[in-house]
Formats: sequence, C-alpha cells, structure tokens
Amino acid sequence: EVQLVESGGGLVKPGGSLRLSCATSGFTFSDYTMHWVRQAPGKGLEWVSSISTSSSYLSYADSVKGRFTISRHNAKNSLFLQMSNLRAEDTAVYYCARVWVPTSGWPYLDFWGQGTLVTVSS
Amino acid sequence: DIQMTQSPSSLSASVGDRVTITCRASQSISSYLNWYQQKPGKAPKVLIYGASNLQSGVPSRFRGSGSGTDFTLTISSLHPEDFATYYCQQSYTTPTYSFGQGTKLEIK
Repeated sequence: EVQLVESGGGLVKPGGSLRLSCATSGFTFSDYTMHWVRQAPGKGLEWVSSISTSSSYLSYADSVKGRFTISRHNAKNSLFLQMSNLRAEDTAVYYCARVWVPTSGWPYLDFWGQGTLVTVSS
Repeated sequence: DIQMTQSPSSLSASVGDRVTITCRASQSISSYLNWYQQKPGKAPKVLIYGASNLQSGVPSRFRGSGSGTDFTLTISSLHPEDFATYYCQQSYTTPTYSFGQGTKLEIK
C-alpha cells in the first residue's frame, strides 16, 4: 500500500525556519518525481515545489523561490522541504504528493499525504 | 506562468442533478489537465487525468472533456458523497504545476 506521511509542521515566528519531512512506503521512491503542494486555511491549492528522481531538477513557485529548498533521500525513501525566512502568508497545510506519468504522457498527482500544518505567527 | 480559472467558484445542486464545472487556461495546454476532488480535512484525490481519462476506481458519472484552453468536468447524476470542492490542475509546464481556484459544490 502506497503511503506518504508528512511531519515537521508547527508554530514558527515570522523570519523563522522549519523543515518538513515526507516519509514514504509501498513503492520504489527513487523512481518518482515528488511535489509539495500547500493550502492556506480556507483557501485553494497552491503548487510549491518539485524534485526529480535523482534531484537533478528542482522547481519552485515564485512565492517561495529563494526561501524554500526541496530535497530527497532516496535510500531513506524520504522527501524534505526546508523553509526559511517564513512569512505569515506561508501559513498552510503542506502536502507531499507523488507524480504518476501514464503511457499517454499526461502527468498527475496520484498519491498524497495527509498534510502537516505550518503556522507562521508571532 | 499559466493561469487556471475555474467557474463557478461555488455551486448549489441537489442529489440527482447534472452539474458542469469549467476550467480555462491562459494559454493552450493541450490535454495536460487534471481534475481533483477534495473533501474537508482530507487530501485531494484525482478524478480525471489527461483531460478525459477516468482514474481507476472513480465512478463513471464523472466525465472530463476539452483540450487547448477550455475544459469541463461533468457529474452526470450527483450522489451525496460528491459534495466537495473540485480543482483543475495543469501539468503542461511540468515539473511546475498550477491549480484553479476551486469550485465548491454544495447541497441545495
């Protein structure tokens, strides 16, 4: 059974840092591109970042570029998001998600974690 | 950046109704369009990928159509468990994605 479990969320002051983790199981983690998606309270989904299988390609939303760093540890089946210089507008539930690319070639996010809440407040 | 715009933002309907949600991309995205359903406190779940392909296990009352810039999600006959928020998402610019703002489907 595919499982993704986020952890590391919590309350942090503006300007502070936090590291999120996503522990995975039930699939060959090193074969999949992974993403982070967030959702502010009562708001819609916002794509945050992605990382390729070998960490060669990293992508970020403009809203987090220069402040967030995505990484992975394939041997430990884990995905990370290092967040620094946090702002109130970064308050959200953060989800990790796996990309599936069917033979047709149209990628989509097929499995998601349950999310971890990050609250940025003084 | 490709902007995704959904309409309506909210919708009231009754069990058994047919409903349609639209999603428009700011530029052509071919068929790189996915639809997700999200219930309160839960992670999103994919319904449709590649604009019109039904994800395994998703009921056939869900149908996606469109290509280029205009897409629709149709639920042919609403079931009680379908009341949720629906999001479109483009993967044309993979590995960067973008989502529509969501459509909240409520019980009338």
